[in-house]
Amino acid sequence: ELKVEQNPLFLSMQEGKNYTIYCNYSTTSDRLYWYRQDPGKSLESLFVLLSNGAVKQEGRLMASLDTKARLSTLHITAAVHDLSATYFCAVAGDGNQFYFGTGTSLTVIP
Amino acid sequence: GAGVSQSPRYKVTKRGQDVTLRCDPISSHATLYWYQQALGQGPEFLTYFNYEAQPDKSGLPSDRFSAERPEGSISTLTIQRTEQRDSAMYRCASSPWGAGELFFGEGSRLTVL
Repeated sequence: ELKVEQNPLFLSMQEGKNYTIYCNYSTTSDRLYWYRQDPGKSLESLFVLLSNGAVKQEGRLMASLDTKARLSTLHITAAVHDLSATYFCAVAGDGNQFYFGTGTSLTVIP
Repeated sequence: GAGVSQSPRYKVTKRGQDVTLRCDPISSHATLYWYQQALGQGPEFLTYFNYEAQPDKSGLPSDRFSAERPEGSISTLTIQRTEQRDSAMYRCASSPWGAGELFFGEGSRLTVL
């Protein structure tokens, strides 16, 4: 089974600061996804990364994928309070399965 | 439908009872997934369907768990003889054919007393 690890698990950062969340996975895959989950809510798709070197940006969030290193990053630029949520990466397996990481709980402090 | 719909949103049952959860996916989506999410954890894969076919059910925790999608649209997840450890949020997601991004429903929270 494909294993997906995220770090850090918890992240508290001040508004205006930059930080990066890391997602490592155990076996070859060229499809990686990032999701956001607000407390008590469902998961919302943020980014779809489908090839080595893919980079996607939306507002203050930027995601990248390095399939050779089996690593994806989610970079946060000049954090604002509205970004407080739990962020999950998910990696596609051999078939159509998706395996999720443990999540990174982000709190942005004013 | 416009989004993925799950019912019931909340279910409280006594240990040993059977429970059935329902998922109505986005109507154009071929693929449907079931996940189990414990509090503070990421979703754990249970099983998925391509239309009515069920290629992978390796994530189902035991033979008490089963899922169906007989007409390739609505799906049900049934847990027989529920145990307290089955308490969790059960999430359904659908995706267009080709393993695109997942669209999640609001989930069904199961509590087994």
